[in-house]
Amino acid sequence: KQEVTQIPAALSVPEGENLVLNCSFTDSAIYNLQWFRQDPGKGLTSLLLIQSSQREQTSGRLNASLDKSSGRSTLYIAASQPGDSATYLCAVNPSGGSYIPTFGRGTSLIVHP
Amino acid sequence: GAVVSQHPSWVICKSGTSVKIECRSLDFQATTMFWYRQFPKQSLMLMATSNEGSKATYEQGVEKDKFLINHASLTLSTLTVTSAHPEDSSFYICSARDPGGRFQYFGAGTRLSVL
Repeated sequence: KQEVTQIPAALSVPEGENLVLNCSFTDSAIYNLQWFRQDPGKGLTSLLLIQSSQREQTSGRLNASLDKSSGRSTLYIAASQPGDSATYLCAVNPSGGSYIPTFGRGTSLIVHP
Repeated sequence: GAVVSQHPSWVICKSGTSVKIECRSLDFQATTMFWYRQFPKQSLMLMATSNEGSKATYEQGVEKDKFLINHASLTLSTLTVTSAHPEDSSFYICSARDPGGRFQYFGAGTRLSVL
């Protein structure tokens, strides 16, 4: 059974810092890995999707990397802003056809001015 | 990108009543939709997989008679929480599998509060 762990569980930083959020998974037989943002009381917004054959994906100030063999992904946020405050969830989609993701518990990020 | 609409966004009900939550794929047909439950500061837990025209597949520990799922069309799945109790209070999120079948689009969620 796939297990997804996100570290740290919570993070509070001043504006402008570069951040690294970590996601680890136990079963490397994955199809892709997705990072989501969730604002309080809201649904999920997809940030980045990395296919198992890829090493990284970038979107604006966000960069996600994937090391499938070691079961790790990182989300890098450059020059953090207060508007980045949210919970960031990592979801791992298995290979084999079910495409039902396993989610981590998320990292709760607060960026203060 | 594809949009999944979930309604209502927030509902308060009395204990013992039933509540229906709708999940619609607005610009694509979704043969498969998913229902998740999320407790505060916890991750999303899959409750069931909803397949158009057939019975839903429930995850272990989820009561199918309490959480009724209907997927009558290619764009609509509903979750009905029957005889709701305070312990059913939670955040419920639906998603729809994209036409390529390889990832999911998520709704905005429904906050259910049972008094």
